[in-house]
Amino acid sequence: EAGVVQSPRYKIIEKKQPVAFWCNPISGHNTLYWYLQNLGQGPELLIRYENEEAVDDSQLPKDRFSAERLKGVDSTLKIQPAELGDSAVYLCASSLGSHTGELFFGEGSRLTVL
Amino acid sequence: GENVEQHPSTLSVQEGDSAVIKCTYSDSASNYFPWYKQELGKGPQLIIDIRSNVGEKKDQRIAVTLNKTAKHFSLHITETQPEDSAVYFCAASKDSDMRFGAGTRLTVKP
Repeated sequence: EAGVVQSPRYKIIEKKQPVAFWCNPISGHNTLYWYLQNLGQGPELLIRYENEEAVDDSQLPKDRFSAERLKGVDSTLKIQPAELGDSAVYLCASSLGSHTGELFFGEGSRLTVL
Repeated sequence: GENVEQHPSTLSVQEGDSAVIKCTYSDSASNYFPWYKQELGKGPQLIIDIRSNVGEKKDQRIAVTLNKTAKHFSLHITETQPEDSAVYFCAASKDSDMRFGAGTRLTVKP
């Protein structure tokens, strides 16, 4: 069974440019997460979806970040415009649903903003 | 919200020795405590987890203990091997809201 798939794996952009990351969760997983991981730090939650509903986006910087999960399957995270401080790894994870525990992570999308 | 603190940030041991990583959490309602291992360039992968109704769980060379009263939990790795070298994260979760510690970089020297 395929795991969580993220693309692109690496992205280098100039500041003020837009960027988008895509995530396809494990089939049947209702809950989808986007985490930000800065170098040497643990994952920090950006947004959590239950099916197509964003149930926790309190940590998402809404002035420049947006996310969507149309049809409750794959998801896109967008940054516009990107800033130097956005350089990080963006991790997507999925789980079966509430109360079930284990998160399955993708390999991440590493963003470098020049 | 939940706050998870993890220490040490780095840990170096000789092959065959034991390694212990400790975490504390702030929200007494958290009920699920997983440990993840992250290798370079990869996403975190679950290695062991424990729920709040259990005090200890073991899986071969790794074990986790939970003290709900003190709100802390620990990862124990025995007979460490070079392939155990990685970054380890603890996490605490309540109703699918999972928060992570800052990580421990474990180095096992041959």
